[in-house]
Amino acid sequence: QSVLTQPPSVSAAPGQKVTISCSGSSSNIGRSFVSWYQQLPGTGPKLLIYDNSKRPSGIPDRFSGSKSGTSATLGITGLQTGDEAGYYCGTWDASLSAVVFGGGTKLTVL
Amino acid sequence: EEQLVQSGAEVKKAGESLKISCKGSGYSFSTYWIAWVRQMPGKGLEWMGMIYPGDSDTRYSPSFQGQVTLSADKSISTAYLQWSSLKASDTAMYYCARHRAIFAVMSIDFWGQGTLVTVSS
Repeated sequence: QSVLTQPPSVSAAPGQKVTISCSGSSSNIGRSFVSWYQQLPGTGPKLLIYDNSKRPSGIPDRFSGSKSGTSATLGITGLQTGDEAGYYCGTWDASLSAVVFGGGTKLTVL
Repeated sequence: EEQLVQSGAEVKKAGESLKISCKGSGYSFSTYWIAWVRQMPGKGLEWMGMIYPGDSDTRYSPSFQGQVTLSADKSISTAYLQWSSLKASDTAMYYCARHRAIFAVMSIDFWGQGTLVTVSS
């Protein structure tokens, strides 16, 4: 059981928008920045969003992040079939003194 | 190009020891924390701990404390993950990754290609 809670799966049609939620607590999301990672099938994870809402160089602005209280959200607009992947949120948990990840969300672009 | 290159896949038997490696290049290896992350088959990401190659300061996740050992040799820009006695449940893909920042501003900005460890009982 992961410390951060994500929906196991989401789906949407090409060109549409999807959001992925990440729920935590006051010991993790409530007091730390959230980052998001994309894991394409058979590959290692890739940083999509850091510091709640910042995009690294090379990440298109179709990807966005936000945080409110003890929850965070990843948004993806203009969905493409190449966006089919697992998505993970991550943050620091002060009680555990460890990085914690969500269980991951599998995105299907129908 | 900044990158982390991991050692190849391993097939071991329960009870054996193992040390896998992660070599950094294209950046100042000594000045960034390196994390190790486990991904069991079909499962999510689990942070095992991190090491600062500059002085080998090490932090472990409570879930992995005492189960593995992290080390680093800054002279050859390489970090290591080690087991003294493998279990079948250690079968997983293991990633090393560079922390862009740590603690409350944590993020990981790039990852190695992964090392698949298979342990038979």
